Amino acid sequence: DTAVSQTPKYLVTQMGNDKSIKCEQNLGHDTMYWYKQDSKKFLKIMFSYNNKELIINETVPNRFSPKSPDKAHLNLHINSLELGDSAVYFCASSQVWTSKAFFGQGTRLTVV
Amino acid sequence: AQKVTQAQTEISVVEKEDVTLDCVYETRDTTYYLFWYKQPPSGELVFLIRRNSFDEQNEISGRYSWNFQKSTSSFNFTITASQVVDSAVYFCALSEEASGSRLTFGEGTQLTVNP
Repeated sequence: DTAVSQTPKYLVTQMGNDKSIKCEQNLGHDTMYWYKQDSKKFLKIMFSYNNKELIINETVPNRFSPKSPDKAHLNLHINSLELGDSAVYFCASSQVWTSKAFFGQGTRLTVV
Repeated sequence: AQKVTQAQTEISVVEKEDVTLDCVYETRDTTYYLFWYKQPPSGELVFLIRRNSFDEQNEISGRYSWNFQKSTSSFNFTITASQVVDSAVYFCALSEEASGSRLTFGEGTQLTVNP
């Protein structure tokens, strides 16, 4: 029983394409996140949703649009992909800000 | 603004050596949480420990121990008798009340344990 699952695990696509990454958690958590890990392994938050409401929106190009159809899902849609978008994207969830975040296995996005 | 610094980019040790990974944080908040995560070569992020700002007790879990010192804003992680399976990138992270639910990560320390 995977707590936080992301699909796909690998995504290779051409510049200019639009792609989505899906995330689902079965932990009953209220808060979900998207983090980006760059080639130097640096992890940075992109978005955070609490009960389907956007609460954190870091300085991310508006080509990135998160969507939370319900509390258990937080998808990431990326328009007009660029080479610099290549990274590993992690979905995570937590019950409250004080509790540990559970991370998905990551989606390695490669833009060619 | 919150910040986490892991000054050691890479550490290499021989199996059975003890190793300490340093973490220094900055925050203006009095209520905050500190975390350590492990990222093995397979890529997933594995939670290791959470400590709140009001609990400075050190913690030991098997070969792992953590030293939290508010006076020096440090939350260091020690692995005793390291093993090859400990090879991973280790991240220290901070979550503060004022910033909501975000985790701010340090740059990570790549630990390599050689046989």
